Amino acid sequence: DAGVIQSPRHEVTEMGQEVTLRCKPISGHDYLFWYRQTMMRGLELLIYFNNNVPIDDSGMPEDRFSAKMPNASFSTLKIQPSEPRDSAVYFCASRRGRASNQPQHFGDGTRLSIL
Amino acid sequence: GQQVMQIPQYQHVQEGEDFTTYCNSSTTLSNIQWYKQRPGGHPVFLIQLVKSGEVKKQKRLTFQFGEAKKNSSLHITATQTTDVGTYFCAASTGGSQGNLIFGKGTKLSVKP
Repeated sequence: DAGVIQSPRHEVTEMGQEVTLRCKPISGHDYLFWYRQTMMRGLELLIYFNNNVPIDDSGMPEDRFSAKMPNASFSTLKIQPSEPRDSAVYFCASRRGRASNQPQHFGDGTRLSIL
Repeated sequence: GQQVMQIPQYQHVQEGEDFTTYCNSSTTLSNIQWYKQRPGGHPVFLIQLVKSGEVKKQKRLTFQFGEAKKNSSLHITATQTTDVGTYFCAASTGGSQGNLIFGKGTKLSVKP
């Protein structure tokens, strides 16, 4: 079975540019999570969706960040305009079912560098 | 907001030595999960603990959930170089949606 698929794997861009990260969850998983990982702050939950509906976006740092899930098999995380402090690894994860005792399955991540 | 404290932040061991990482919460947890992230990789689910005082083993790894369901530990016996990586605990207090709060992880390095 295919796992969570993220693209691109690496992104290097200049500050001020728009960045779009993409995620395809595992088929049949109804929860999708976006995380950001840095050395300083560890793994932070940005936003998560249930059945394509955003449930909690309290982790989104500021208005420059937005996320969408137009259908069950695709989600995007957009940063506009990007800033150097946004440099991090962004992970998407998916899960089947609402119970917190279900494991989350992570994608390989997008390593983002903003110059 | 709820926090999960994980210690130590780093651990350097000689191959063959044991390793333990601890996870603590100020609130009672519904369950706790453990993940491993290899260098350059992504977190991978290892195990989940649900019951008070629960102990689970996976080969050389032993996972424990405290009696009060506020702390947990992961112990590796006789570390190998393949154990290198960052170990995260991820806790849930339950609730309607059950998102996880991740600890900051313990980065394990093993010297051959």
